[in-house]
Amino acid sequence: DAGVIQSPRHEVTEMGQEVTLRCKPISGHNSLFWYRQTMMRGLELLIYFNNNVPIDDSGMPEDRFSAKMPNASFSTLKIQPSEPRDSAVYFCASSTSATSTDTQYFGPGTRLTVL
Amino acid sequence: AQSVTQLDSQVPVFEEAPVELRCNYSSSVSVYLFWYVQYPNQGLQLLLKYLPGSTLVKGINGFEAEFNKSQTSFHLRKPSVHISDTAEYFCAVINTGGFKTIFGAGTRLFVKA
Repeated sequence: DAGVIQSPRHEVTEMGQEVTLRCKPISGHNSLFWYRQTMMRGLELLIYFNNNVPIDDSGMPEDRFSAKMPNASFSTLKIQPSEPRDSAVYFCASSTSATSTDTQYFGPGTRLTVL
Repeated sequence: AQSVTQLDSQVPVFEEAPVELRCNYSSSVSVYLFWYVQYPNQGLQLLLKYLPGSTLVKGINGFEAEFNKSQTSFHLRKPSVHISDTAEYFCAVINTGGFKTIFGAGTRLFVKA
C-alpha cells in the first residue's frame, strides 16, 4: 500500500495567491482529516470528513480556507487568498473508523511557505 | 472538553539509557490514548494506543506506555534507546465515541552517542 499521498511536498507562494493542497487517502479508508502543524500552535485539526461528507470544520481558521472531498480517493484544501501566517506544514490523515479511535495514517505533509 | 499536556518539550538522553516521556490528560469521560512518533520531514506514525482494558500497552520499536487513571497519566517508556529513536513524540487523547483527537505539544527526544 502506498500510504496517504500528499502533493505538493513543498509550496512557496506569494501573499494573496491561491494555494491548493491535495490528498489521496489509503484505499478503503472512509475517514479523512486535515491538520496544520506550526511551532507556535502545534498540531491542529482543521476539518474531518467521513464518507466524503464534512463532519466537523470548526478548526478551519477562517473563510479563506476551504476543503472538499469529491470522492473517496481525493481531497483538497484550498487557501484563497494566502497570507504569511498560513505558513505551516499541512498533513492529511485517513482512517477506517467513523470515529477517531482507530489509527490515523498520516501523509508526509505539505510544507507551505507564504512570502 | 479533553486536553493533553506533555510535560517536557525536550528530552536529551544517551544511547542505551532508559527514557520516559511524560503525558497527562484531562477529560470528564472515558478516553482513548495514543502515542505517535514523527521523524524529521515525515508525517506522524502510531507507536501505540490505549483502549480500555489493560493498563500496560506495548507498541512498536520496544516502546510501552502505562495508563494510570488515578493520576490521569499515560507516560511512554523505553528501557534502552537507540540513536534512531531521535524524533518528536506526540501524546493524543480522544473521548470514547468522539471523533476529534487532541494532540499534545510534542516532546523532542534527542539520543546522543
